[in-house]
Amino acid sequence: SYELTQAPSVSVSPGQTASIPCSGEKLENKYVNWYQQKPGQSPVLVMYLHSKRPSGTPERFSGSTSGNTASLIIGGTQAIDEAHYYCQAWDSNIVVFGGGTKLTVL
Amino acid sequence: QVQLQESGPGLVKPSETLSLTCTVSGDSVGGFHWTWIRQPPGKGLEWVGNIFYSGNTYYNPSLESRVTLSVDTSKNQFSLKLSSVTSEDTAVYYCARLKEYSPVKWFHPWGQGTLVTVSS
Repeated sequence: SYELTQAPSVSVSPGQTASIPCSGEKLENKYVNWYQQKPGQSPVLVMYLHSKRPSGTPERFSGSTSGNTASLIIGGTQAIDEAHYYCQAWDSNIVVFGGGTKLTVL
Repeated sequence: QVQLQESGPGLVKPSETLSLTCTVSGDSVGGFHWTWIRQPPGKGLEWVGNIFYSGNTYYNPSLESRVTLSVDTSKNQFSLKLSSVTSEDTAVYYCARLKEYSPVKWFHPWGQGTLVTVSS
């Protein structure tokens, strides 16, 4: 079965750029979505089709994919960006989530 | 603006069937695709299954033998049934709309989630 791998945690200083990687076989050939989940809240879509921002996602969020790795990039990271981030892709009709990365802003 | 609200028992006994309903407002349930996703306490997201407006359903292979999704257009709801539950099925269950712009698909928005505990 298809798998997506994420680092359990990433730390960044306020104002710096955070990069959250997600790896999977031939990931650049799939459509990767990203969800943000803050404590006690439901997940929220922050990026789809690798690098498309839905309305409401700040412009400091961007996405990229190359080879086997997709990345969610947050430029000028703010304290409010501290959350868990999950990548998601499709393997035919099966939905696959990465294990999630906790982004700490300190 | 579409909104989703999960409802159902918060406590289910082992070996029984978990039944949840997602009520949709702001959209017609019959015109879109829908999904269930769950999250065990302190863990990551796990996809349960999708139901498309065509009636087609797709389930997580690890749950397929126990899961049934359905849509009730008269009530503007869709539902999840998970049979023979164990403590491993204890989780927050989320419903969400599955948006599609072929061939791209994503989940937005999500309901607030409902915690289901499996315990005797």
